[in-house]
Amino acid sequence: GEDVEQSLFLSVREGDSSVINCTYTDSSSTYLYWYKQEPGAGLQLLTYIFSNMDMKQDQRLTVLLNKKDKHLSLRIADTQTGDSAIYFCAVLQGGKLIFGQGTELSVKP
Amino acid sequence: GAGVSQSPSNKVTEKGKYVELRCDPISGHTALYWYRQSLGQGLEFLIYFQGNSAPDKSGLPSDRFSAERTGGSVSTLTIQRTQQEDSAVYLCASSLTGAGADAQYFGPGTRLTVT
Repeated sequence: GEDVEQSLFLSVREGDSSVINCTYTDSSSTYLYWYKQEPGAGLQLLTYIFSNMDMKQDQRLTVLLNKKDKHLSLRIADTQTGDSAIYFCAVLQGGKLIFGQGTELSVKP
Repeated sequence: GAGVSQSPSNKVTEKGKYVELRCDPISGHTALYWYRQSLGQGLEFLIYFQGNSAPDKSGLPSDRFSAERTGGSVSTLTIQRTQQEDSAVYLCASSLTGAGADAQYFGPGTRLTVT
């Protein structure tokens, strides 16, 4: 089955860019998602990308997809303290989402 | 209501008891999903309902777990003879049709603690 991997922690300074990386194993994956989870809260959909795209930009968020390497990244420009949260990469397989372990982003002022 | 709602928000129960968790999906969404989030296992899929099709139960961890969706809307996840390893946050999500381009929107979850 699908396996989705993320690094567990990332620390950046306020105003810098953050890049959160994700790798997956199933090359037939069609939709890939990024969710954000703040402490004590549910999962908030940030963005998604279809596998026929290389890049998708939405305000401060840029998603890059490298299908050859099965690598997905989320770049947050001008990172703010309010961006501190856990970010989950997820891949759609058979109608259900397969999640990575989540990357905890810490933004220092 | 604009989003997915779940009740109760917190549930503490004793080992061996029965629990029932409820999910109200976004109005008009035909697909509904249950996931759980625990420290040891991360986020895992449990069960998926799409329209009138038979549910995908492939993620249910044991026969103590079951779920139903009545009238194509509200869903209930039930756990019989609860065990301590069932302690987790149970998340419900819904999407418009279940197709890939229809993203899954999550509720706030029910935190289940089994003592």
